[in-house]
Amino acid sequence: QQQVKQSPQSLIVQKGGISIINCAYENTAFDYFPWYQQFPGKGPALLIAIRPDVSEKKEGRFTISFNKSAKQFSLHIMDSQPGDSATYFCAASAPDNYGQNFVFGPGTRLSVLP
Amino acid sequence: NAGVTQTPKFQVLKTGQSMTLQCAQDMNHNSMYWYRQDPGMGLRLIYYSASEGTTDKGEVPNGYNVSRLNKREFSLRLESAAPSQTSVYFCASRPGRGLYGYTFGSGTRLTVV
Repeated sequence: QQQVKQSPQSLIVQKGGISIINCAYENTAFDYFPWYQQFPGKGPALLIAIRPDVSEKKEGRFTISFNKSAKQFSLHIMDSQPGDSATYFCAASAPDNYGQNFVFGPGTRLSVLP
Repeated sequence: NAGVTQTPKFQVLKTGQSMTLQCAQDMNHNSMYWYRQDPGMGLRLIYYSASEGTTDKGEVPNGYNVSRLNKREFSLRLESAAPSQTSVYFCASRPGRGLYGYTFGSGTRLTVV
């Protein structure tokens, strides 16, 4: 029940296209859903996050869509650029967890072709 | 504004050797974490410290020990390294309970031969 599923495993998009990465969870206690971006040789960096009381959050070209009833959320990258090529991780945490640890999806490797 | 600093960046160990990975944060965060990252496995929690003076096991604690030396520092120790511990290790911190994301360090790439 702690697992977060993520798809696709890898994604290739043309420059200017839309990249979509999907995640699903089971634990209804999760209340915070961040996305992390990781470049090769670097640590993951927080990209954008959402709470389940909103259905969408947008920051620049990055949008999180959240479907509470389906227990799914997704990251949309509009006008994808070669600089967006990285691995993306979705994550979730629950308030009843003392350490409020995040559970991470397995990651999606995005390649944006010039 | 160093954030989370990990040392060393790279390390090669022989099976059975021991070593300590160091992590320090300068953001006055209460909670600190150690994750390992393996291809296709994502990030898996080894140990965490929700606040100074406390430590708890995560998903994959076997073969590791931790010490929360003070509020800033959280070290990870491999007592007898095994090839299965070859991985990239990330330290992370966050302010504490609440809707906060992690700040990650840049990682330690460990190879056990």
